[in-house]
Amino acid sequence: LAKTTQPISMDSYEGQEVNITCSHNNIATNDYITWYQQFPSQGPRFIIQGYKTKVTNEVASLFIPADRKSSTLSLPRVSLSDTAVYYCLVGPRGTYKYIFGTGTRLKVLA
Amino acid sequence: SAVISQKPSRDICQRGTSLTIQCQVDSQVTMMFWYRQQPGQSLTLIATANQGSEATYESGFVIDKFPISRPNLTFSTLTVSNMSPEDSSIYLCSVKDNEQFFGPGTRLTVL
Repeated sequence: LAKTTQPISMDSYEGQEVNITCSHNNIATNDYITWYQQFPSQGPRFIIQGYKTKVTNEVASLFIPADRKSSTLSLPRVSLSDTAVYYCLVGPRGTYKYIFGTGTRLKVLA
Repeated sequence: SAVISQKPSRDICQRGTSLTIQCQVDSQVTMMFWYRQQPGQSLTLIATANQGSEATYESGFVIDKFPISRPNLTFSTLTVSNMSPEDSSIYLCSVKDNEQFFGPGTRLTVL
């Protein structure tokens, strides 16, 4: 399964748009890109999944360039409650065997 | 979406003892998984538990240390045996529906 690389941490202010980029140079043809969010003392929670171009839901947008070697999670107008660790995962749809990387620790400041 | 509960939510145990963690899901699922999250670290898959068969363990994890039961499609247990302080972690149960859902975790501290 493709290994991912993300920034270890990011700071942002309330109301700003936050973009977290993930690098996955060895992504396979049948791999999807999935993002999870984890709050302290909770299990990870699914945010969004995509294969190519752009996916948007009520929580976030996921941008995937044509070569699919990276992806960007975009969180619009973050609030303090968005402070969490965000994990980028790559694997075939339906896979359970995700390799969790270090994740990105996002801190939203007032 | 699947709702997962775990018991206990946290425990403090003595070295050399064992602890069994329970995972209950509100719907029938084929695959259940156990992860470990060491302090300040990411998640590591311990094993996959399928009903009616032996659990499948990932590299670095063995059945003698982490025996798993899966008696039906909504329940599983993970036992952490002969504990040492290095076993202090959060243990998370997970299931695969259309997405993958995680339980709240069990925070284990071994003294």
